[in-house]
Amino acid sequence: DVKVTQSSRYLVKRTGEKVFLECVQDMDHENMFWYRQDPGLGLRLIYFSYDVKMKEKGDIPEGYSVSREKKERFSLILESASTNQTSMYLCASSPSTGADTEAFFGQGTRLTVV
Amino acid sequence: QQPVQSPQAVILREGEDAVINCSSSKALYSVHWYRQKHGEAPVFLMILLKGGEQKGHDKISASFNEKKQQSSLYLTASQLSYSGTYFCGTGFQKLVFGTGTRLLVSP
Repeated sequence: DVKVTQSSRYLVKRTGEKVFLECVQDMDHENMFWYRQDPGLGLRLIYFSYDVKMKEKGDIPEGYSVSREKKERFSLILESASTNQTSMYLCASSPSTGADTEAFFGQGTRLTVV
Repeated sequence: QQPVQSPQAVILREGEDAVINCSSSKALYSVHWYRQKHGEAPVFLMILLKGGEQKGHDKISASFNEKKQQSSLYLTASQLSYSGTYFCGTGFQKLVFGTGTRLLVSP
């Protein structure tokens, strides 16, 4: 089975802290994604990566950065956490850049910034 | 730009049918559909491709109108297990998801 693992299910951080959310996939997928999920807004794409050290901005990249040093790991970084970044964060991976490949999701990290 | 889904929420009794729509302002090469149960990760249901090819679920069907840039998911004879939030996704490389439709099936 494909597995996408996010390092924490729940996280509480203080305003201004630097926060790292980690995601690891075990299926050698080229593509990896970070989304945030908020009620009524669906899944919004923050950043994605189609190869090691390659990254592209999604629809809401402000306040976030990412790192992909190894193919299996994709990290989301909140440089200075703010309360409006309180949300559910979902990582996903997919095996190619084709339009006909499914994405596999991690369980999500519920981040609360206080 | 996120695809827009409608309705935002729907409540059904077991055995009833539902249609969930997904509309994009951009040209679609394919449409993905996923279901997320409460507290769980979204799970793949199906992909619809240009030209009519469809991959995925054998109990849920969908349509893809390339000209109208729309897709619809058809849930027939709904079961309790169909409850959850449904997302459509589009994009060749940058996979963007819609606003979601919450479906509740009651006994």
